[in-house]
Amino acid sequence: KNQVEQSPQSLIILEGKNCTLQCNYTVSPFSNLRWYKQDTGRGPVSLTIMTFSENTKSNGRYTATLDADTKQSSLHITASQLSDSASYICVVSAGQAGTALIFGKGTTLSVSS
Amino acid sequence: KAGVTQTPRYLIKTRGQQVTLSCSPISGHRSVSWYQQTPGQGLQFLFEYFSETQRNKGNFPGRFSGRQFSNSRSEMNVSTLELGDSALYLCASRGMRVQTGELFFGEGSRLTVL
Repeated sequence: KNQVEQSPQSLIILEGKNCTLQCNYTVSPFSNLRWYKQDTGRGPVSLTIMTFSENTKSNGRYTATLDADTKQSSLHITASQLSDSASYICVVSAGQAGTALIFGKGTTLSVSS
Repeated sequence: KAGVTQTPRYLIKTRGQQVTLSCSPISGHRSVSWYQQTPGQGLQFLFEYFSETQRNKGNFPGRFSGRQFSNSRSEMNVSTLELGDSALYLCASRGMRVQTGELFFGEGSRLTVL
């Protein structure tokens, strides 16, 4: 069964600190993995996409990693800001055409001053 | 380029009523999908339409239905509303390169059922 598990479910950190969010998946065949950021009351917005051959990709203070062997991805946030407070959702595309999407339940991050 | 537009943004209904939500995708996008989001459950896939045809369907009762028009605009309908249908309903569109899997989401329609 295709599944995406995210941890932790929620996280509270102080402004300026770093944090890492985890995404484990059992999806076959794997096409790509994407991290989305969802601000409260808004629609999710894509942060980064990881394909099978990519190990690391950065988008500003966000760095995503992918280990295709262990089927794990992480999203590292550096020097957190209050605006990073949001839910972060891991979505894995499955199938040859990548049309089937499997969603994680998300990690809720709260950054406090 | 205009984003995905959902209307209405907020609505309140009572049990037993029905509701229709509308979604206008990004110009040129032919795939539109719908999601229900409730606290603790994450995004639950409802259905996806591509060129007016339902391509995929999630595990929701038949009270939830949708359709897509020739201009790619989509509507979803929920009949005989229940309290548990209170949620944020998100619509997303995808471009021709579906392999990249990027969804462009609207701001959502927040439905409250009393």
